[in-house]
Amino acid sequence: GAGVSQSPSNKVTEKGKDVELRCDPISGHTALYWYRQSLGQGLEFLIYFQGNSAPDKSGLPSDRFSAERTGGSVSTLTIQRTQQEDSAVYLCASSLGDYHNSPLHFGNGTRLTVT
Amino acid sequence: GQQLNQSPQSMFIQEGEDVSMNCTSSSIFNTWLWYKQDPGEGPVLLIALYKAGELTSNGRLTAQFGITRKDSFLNISASIPSDVGIYFCAGLSGNTGKLIFGQGTTLQVKP
Repeated sequence: GAGVSQSPSNKVTEKGKDVELRCDPISGHTALYWYRQSLGQGLEFLIYFQGNSAPDKSGLPSDRFSAERTGGSVSTLTIQRTQQEDSAVYLCASSLGDYHNSPLHFGNGTRLTVT
Repeated sequence: GQQLNQSPQSMFIQEGEDVSMNCTSSSIFNTWLWYKQDPGEGPVLLIALYKAGELTSNGRLTAQFGITRKDSFLNISASIPSDVGIYFCAGLSGNTGKLIFGQGTTLQVKP
C-alpha cells in the first residue's frame, strides 16, 4: 500500500493476556518507529528500528514490552501480561532513514483496551 | 530527558481568524516538525524545518525554526472548519532518529 498499515485497528483484551500489534511500513522505508498515545496525551516514544536492529529501546515501559522487525519490513510489538495502564493507541511510523530529510509517516494506530 | 512545551493546550476560535501556537525546549533540536492529527487517525506531517531561522509556508500554514534552535511556531491564517484537530510539534536531536513530541494543541473552529 501507499501508507503505513497497522493491524488490528482495535484490540480488546483481558488483563493478563498477551497481545501482538503489527506494522507494515511504507515500502523502501528503512526506519520504523513505535509510539504510544494515551487518551488526550502526546506521543510517547517506545522504540525504533534501523533495518532489523533496534538502536534505541529506551522508551519501552517495562520488560513486558518487546518488538522485533524482520526482513527490514514488518514489525510486531508484543505486550505480555497486559495491564489496564497499557490501554492506549499504539502508533507506528516509518521513514527513509535519513532523519534530517525524511520525516516520519504514521499509520492510523491500534487502539488497545485492556479490561 | 528532553521535553517540548507546547502552548496553548487548546484554542477555540471563530472561522476566518488567524491562529498561532508554539513549542519551546531547554534542549537544542536539529529538526522541527509540525503534525496534525484528526480523530481516529495517525498524525500527518504539515511542515518540516531543517535549519535554524528557516521560515516555511504550506498554503495557509507558516512555521519557523527558532534561531536558538530551541523553539518553533506554527501559524494558520484565515482558519476554516476543517482546520479542527490536534496539532503537535516534534523535535529531532542528534542522529538517533528519535522524535520528541509536544503535548499537542487542540484547535476548534466555530463556523
